[in-house]
Amino acid sequence: QQPVQSPQAVILREGEDAVINCSSSKALYSVHWYRQKHGEAPVFLMILLKGGEQKGHDKISASFNEKKQQSSLYLTASQLSYSGTYFCCLLSGGYQKVTFGTGTKLQVIP
Amino acid sequence: DGGITQSPKYLFRKEGQNVTLSCEQNLNHDAMYWYRQDPGQGLRLIYYSQIVNDFQKGDIAEGYSVSREKKESFPLTVTSAQKNPTAFYLCASSDLAQTSWQPQHFGDGTRLSIL
Repeated sequence: QQPVQSPQAVILREGEDAVINCSSSKALYSVHWYRQKHGEAPVFLMILLKGGEQKGHDKISASFNEKKQQSSLYLTASQLSYSGTYFCCLLSGGYQKVTFGTGTKLQVIP
Repeated sequence: DGGITQSPKYLFRKEGQNVTLSCEQNLNHDAMYWYRQDPGQGLRLIYYSQIVNDFQKGDIAEGYSVSREKKESFPLTVTSAQKNPTAFYLCASSDLAQTSWQPQHFGDGTRLSIL
């Protein structure tokens, strides 16, 4: 039932691009993306709403395909500060139940 | 500054002991959440609450209990029934808006270990 993210891990050189996918077996109402640095709490990046709306955050953007029940996070021209583990978080059900994805560990190297 | 305060930062539990993790927020948020994170893993929802005196079980509620007597506070008790409590525990809160789902703000976490 936990949303599945792919890839599980990725290593990028500075300036390269990456895509992280999040797939759910349940119908989605909206999606959040968070980034967690090692040993720290997750930090909110962006929210995606129904209708495939894209939201941007600096050089990080995302899409939400309600029909396919998936969301993708796009990181362009990656920076060292982008390193961390990225989680999607899905809202489903009528009582604001949230479920975090399996996570994607991203490492950006010089 | 508004935020979420979790205490203690590190906690050790003896066999058969109940321990309580504190979570306080001054963001005036209605919803509060407790998550468990094992090393290298994602966050799993333990309990959540949208209103005072009401809370719902998450995916891994067995061996845990919570209370929500005040809007600002959502303490988590790890009972002796939880046989493998060693993990990183995160508390979060969010506003409840009518038109969209608001982001969660997290505390700095509590690391719980068994002695």
